[in-house]
Amino acid sequence: NAGVTQTPKFRVLKTGQSMTLLCAQDMNHEYMYWYRQDPGMGLRLIHYSVGEGTTAKGEVPDGYNVSRLKKQNFLLGLESAAPSQTSVYFCASSYRGTGSEQYFGPGTRLTVT
Amino acid sequence: AQSVTQLDSQVPVFEEAPVELRCNYSSSVSVYLFWYVQYPNQGLQLLLKYLSGSTLVKGINGFEAEFNKSQTSFHLRKPSVHISDTAEYFCAVSVRDTGRRALTFGSGTRLQVQP
Repeated sequence: NAGVTQTPKFRVLKTGQSMTLLCAQDMNHEYMYWYRQDPGMGLRLIHYSVGEGTTAKGEVPDGYNVSRLKKQNFLLGLESAAPSQTSVYFCASSYRGTGSEQYFGPGTRLTVT
Repeated sequence: AQSVTQLDSQVPVFEEAPVELRCNYSSSVSVYLFWYVQYPNQGLQLLLKYLSGSTLVKGINGFEAEFNKSQTSFHLRKPSVHISDTAEYFCAVSVRDTGRRALTFGSGTRLQVQP
């Protein structure tokens, strides 16, 4: 039981490049989330999904897109990376929404130069 | 919208001393409250949560927190800390009335336990 896994662990991009971050969970959770963590700002929600085939915007969605084609996977895409997107990205999942414990992946450290 | 304020960005403390990490929240509706811990270079893991019932909540690793509705606070305490408690601690809130919203996090408190 791996829990929540994220690939890659580290990535360096040049401004304007694109990439996709993959999140996978093996707990059969309905809800999945993408957060970014920046120093002194805690975690901020980018996008989330309440089930396969659904996505919704969070607090800071601009510049990101997501897809949830399979229940166990949640992809985060950056179409044209900007230095402001340098951050640590965390994926999380939960059985339900509000009130449920969220299980976090180990994070992806992204640097955009 | 709800918000969370963690009043201390860093808390240095000596080993075996007690510690309190402060958290205040703002919301116009009822909330659930959480404390998460992040060890260096790792993801977050749940320490404890308050959903309803007793306002004193016990969590893992000897931590506890008390929900105070009148002061809109959810402070985290431990009577005697260890070196291994050195980590960043996040208070978070979610709104009761909807199942769709995710957590709103505070900015974090870095606990530094010194020998």
